[in-house]
Amino acid sequence: NAGVTQTPKFQVLKTGQSMTLQCAQDMNHNSMYWYRQDPGMGLRLIYYSASEGTTDKGEVPNGYNVSRLNKREFSLRLESAAPSQTSVYFCASREAGREGYTFGSGTRLTVV
Amino acid sequence: QKEVEQNSGPLSVPEGAIASLNCTYSDRGSQSFFWYRQYSGKSPELIMFIYSNGDKEDGRFTAQLNKASQYVSLLIRDSQPSDSATYLCAGPSISGGYNKLIFGAGTRLAVHP
Repeated sequence: NAGVTQTPKFQVLKTGQSMTLQCAQDMNHNSMYWYRQDPGMGLRLIYYSASEGTTDKGEVPNGYNVSRLNKREFSLRLESAAPSQTSVYFCASREAGREGYTFGSGTRLTVV
Repeated sequence: QKEVEQNSGPLSVPEGAIASLNCTYSDRGSQSFFWYRQYSGKSPELIMFIYSNGDKEDGRFTAQLNKASQYVSLLIRDSQPSDSATYLCAGPSISGGYNKLIFGAGTRLAVHP
């Protein structure tokens, strides 16, 4: 039982490049989330998916897109990376009826 | 005003002391709050949640919720060097409830021998 799995763990991009961060959970959770964490800023919600087939914007959605491929997978895409998107990205999931989130191990992204 | 606010610290306490971490929130309607612990370079881990006014104890940890004053606290008794981490307070957002959990910036705790 792996919980929430994120790939890749590290990535360096050049400004303007695109990439997709992958997230998968094996806990049969309905809701999935993408957060970014920057020093002194805490965790900020980018996008979330309350259930399969739905996605909604969080606090900082600009420059990102998401896809809820199925109940297990929720991907985050950067179409044209910018240095301001240098951050640690965490995927999380939540079981229906419970409020606590389970986090993946994170992706450390650097945009140069 | 941020929905959830914490003092970033660092909070430094000697081993064996009580560490007190605090968090304030802006939504008077919030019913429950969460404390996550995050070791350096690792992901956040849920350690406590509290749903009602008053105290909730779990081992060396006590969470306190005061709805009238809109603050949440986490007490760690008999602090150990292994408790050194960043502690994140989180609560439901005004606009999205538990589907938009809002995190404070975190308080860094350092427990020295």
